[in-house]
Amino acid sequence: GAVVSQHPSRVICKSGTSVKIECRSLDFQATTMFWYRQFPKKSLMLMATSNEGSKATYEQGVEKDKFLINHASLTLSTLTVTSAHPEDSSFYICSARDTGGLAGAPNTGELFFGEGSRLTVL
Amino acid sequence: QQQVKQSPQSLIVQKGGISIINCAYENTAFDYFPWYQQFPGKGPALLIAIRPDVSEKKEGRFTISFNKSAKQFSLHIMDSQPGDSATYFCAATYYGNQFYFGTGTSLTVIP
Repeated sequence: GAVVSQHPSRVICKSGTSVKIECRSLDFQATTMFWYRQFPKKSLMLMATSNEGSKATYEQGVEKDKFLINHASLTLSTLTVTSAHPEDSSFYICSARDTGGLAGAPNTGELFFGEGSRLTVL
Repeated sequence: QQQVKQSPQSLIVQKGGISIINCAYENTAFDYFPWYQQFPGKGPALLIAIRPDVSEKKEGRFTISFNKSAKQFSLHIMDSQPGDSATYFCAATYYGNQFYFGTGTSLTVIP
């Protein structure tokens, strides 16, 4: 099945530093990727929709200057948490929508998730 | 406004029993309804999905029942096993749009 690789899986950083999380679709094209934040025992909270070649669309209440999203290619989106603070500690998950196989296979439109990144800000 | 409502919040089932999780939606434009399984510390994984042109889809022990007129769909896990213990999310979308998730159901299957 389709694979979405998310890296790093765990990161610990000091308050005030920036952290970059990468999300790659390994065997399909993803013109659209989504970034979520998940608190313990809670549902997925959509932070932003990342569109290849254009600006990301942020959900209400999400600071675009704090959570920088770049979707530079059909297979890669990055989330940078700038000037991280302890309240930014969370589980961040990306997902990618299958909009076409790299080998020309038809897209399924299905959504596949990365393994998540646990961010801890000290 | 919650686009997809999911219940129950938590569920405890005996090994070998049937686990049933329900979801309801409002937007009749939705045309794809997936279920995701999430283990602690991991990202959700696509389990099974259905489109509204069928009323039921079965894959192994997992079955989705879909009621278009009632705008409801449910996940049935037959012969539930301790390894099925996880959080399950239903979702709904239509092509080109974002996915709307339910609030999740924590399933515990006791031996």
